[in-house]
Amino acid sequence: GAGVSQSPSNKVTEKGKDVELRCDPISGHTALYWYRQSLGQGLEFLIYFQGNSAPDKSGLPSDRFSAERTGGSVSTLTIQRTQQEDSAVYLCASSLGKGASGANVLTFGAGSRLTVL
Amino acid sequence: AQSVAQPEDQVNVAEGNPLTVKCTYSVSGNPYLFWYVQYPNRGLQFLLKYITGDNLVKGSYGFEAEFNKSQTSFHLKKPSALVSDSALYFCAVRDMFSGGYNKLIFGAGTRLAVHP
Repeated sequence: GAGVSQSPSNKVTEKGKDVELRCDPISGHTALYWYRQSLGQGLEFLIYFQGNSAPDKSGLPSDRFSAERTGGSVSTLTIQRTQQEDSAVYLCASSLGKGASGANVLTFGAGSRLTVL
Repeated sequence: AQSVAQPEDQVNVAEGNPLTVKCTYSVSGNPYLFWYVQYPNRGLQFLLKYITGDNLVKGSYGFEAEFNKSQTSFHLKKPSALVSDSALYFCAVRDMFSGGYNKLIFGAGTRLAVHP
């Protein structure tokens, strides 16, 4: 598609439930990133995927968080046993690969707003 | 540690006046610097970047930013503010250890309010 697509746009869940957030990057973008934006705070890096290499998971806040990217395209961020502090907007971004023209610019999706009651 | 600081939570400016949104960074080596803007209920949009070359970088919507290595700053500027510029602005620097990919370290954001 023309942009980065994220779904759902809004998710309300109960504490302890699992949630899945989906990101569909721009076609041809080999790098994909997940960030979290909490109320009143900046963007917190979570994870990024770079082509077929092992992902950089250094920003995942706990082992309840995981992400995968299937076929080098769509990515799913899974949060198990959600807690109230997981409430935030989860942003996905994609970019061209290393060395490509425009590789330095991330294109963000509109985000998935998660509310844990 | 690598970091970005945006010292102002909010900047207020009258329409037609010049605006400045401040950003300082802390990284080793030559930084890759970015500004993004977030309008209400929307994702971040790229404004401009500094990679190398001229210290004054021009971007979208009439914005520009000046890279100052000695002051480790990358302030965002616009000569004449519009009400429609009201939004949340983020400064970011590329993680120098991300192997050439754009793992960005963001500042906390500055809310710009332009009053008619």
